[in-house]
Amino acid sequence: GDSVTQMEGPVTLSEEAFLTINCTYTATGYPSLFWYVQYPGEGLQLLLKATKADDKGSNKGFEATYRKETTSFHLEKGSVQVSDSAVYFCALTVYNQGGKLIFGQGTELSVKP
Amino acid sequence: DSGVTQTPKHLITATGQRVTLRCSPRSGDLSVYWYQQSLDQGLQFLIQYYNGEERAKGNILERFSAQQFPDLHSELNLSSLELGDSALYFCASSVEVTGELFFGEGSRLTVL
Repeated sequence: GDSVTQMEGPVTLSEEAFLTINCTYTATGYPSLFWYVQYPGEGLQLLLKATKADDKGSNKGFEATYRKETTSFHLEKGSVQVSDSAVYFCALTVYNQGGKLIFGQGTELSVKP
Repeated sequence: DSGVTQTPKHLITATGQRVTLRCSPRSGDLSVYWYQQSLDQGLQFLIQYYNGEERAKGNILERFSAQQFPDLHSELNLSSLELGDSALYFCASSVEVTGELFFGEGSRLTVL
């Protein structure tokens, strides 16, 4: 079945450090890929998305590129801030499955000043 | 504010009891999704409704049921509750089936 695997957390970084959170997927069809973020005490919010191979999604300084050859969608940010501390979820949806998202297990990021 | 409203925010109940969680989707969104978030299972898709009809079913227990009403709000009913049902239950909505979901803040259920 379809699945998403993320690197385990928690990840602890100093402010202004470079961030990478790895995400790989398995899908029977041609998925769209997403990163969602969950701040403490809140629901999930869409961070960025990519719908086809080689697409780059970007938002708030975060980027991720849809790599079909490696079935990956790694999240990167060049300089993290304390306010980026949250749990990040990689997810996919496959056409004709009604738009439901399949999530990875989430990666907790903690940024220290 | 995502525009998705969930009630109650917190609920404490006993084993064997039944509870109902309510979700009001964003204005205009026809799809409603229910997810369960727990420490050991992560985010699990439970069920999806589209304009009142069940569209997709995930890992939803037989003790759980849901429905979407003509005004598009949805309810998730959990019965014969067990300790392991303690979790955060999220509702999400979308206008199209693209995977861009808008999540509510969740209903935290504690079963004692």
